Amino acid sequence: DQQVKQNSPSLSVQEGRISILNCDYTNSMFDYFLWYKKYPAEGPTFLISISSIKDKNEDGRFTVFLNKSAKHLSLHIVPSQPGDSAVYFCAVKGDNTDKLIFGTGTRLQVFP
Amino acid sequence: DVKVTQSSRYLVKRTGEKVFLECVQDMDHENMFWYRQDPGLGLRLIYFSYDVKMKEKGDIPEGYSVSREKKERFSLILESASTNQTSMYLCASSSSPGELFFGEGSRLTVL
Repeated sequence: DQQVKQNSPSLSVQEGRISILNCDYTNSMFDYFLWYKKYPAEGPTFLISISSIKDKNEDGRFTVFLNKSAKHLSLHIVPSQPGDSAVYFCAVKGDNTDKLIFGTGTRLQVFP
Repeated sequence: DVKVTQSSRYLVKRTGEKVFLECVQDMDHENMFWYRQDPGLGLRLIYFSYDVKMKEKGDIPEGYSVSREKKERFSLILESASTNQTSMYLCASSSSPGELFFGEGSRLTVL
């Protein structure tokens, strides 16, 4: 049973516009949320995170929003750039564990 | 700079062969993980380790075993490879809760 879902397998956005990637989770005990970015033939790299005590965290062009009541996480990229084209994975961590549970990924393509 | 190194980027093995995937990290991290990535399924945790000689099963441990004899090294073993183990294997390490550092991955094809 999938505890973390990314319902959009792909997203296409024009350069300069906003990209919004979404993630839903099932367990309200998850307390830390992350986004990873993965280019082909490379390992995932950490992008941004947020703890359950916050509802927003911003780092440059990247902002993560957390809606605990809806069990929903989103990543906003603005403005989007062609170099942002990659697969994005959301990940969650529960209390008392260091392991991460990943979503299925969303392939973002930013076109000129 | 953080470094997680996986010994083989690409491997081709035959059904029934024993396969070793090795991972080394140079950050003195306590935690190490093995995931596999498959299209449409995301990253799924196979095994993880919190310390030397300690291991815990992840979500899909069947058909795999692991070894952690030294803090910096975490090996994934496929005792008898099968075609459904064709996948991208990703090793990761962490010290603080949450942020994992990944290696570049090992793409295994089992014929």
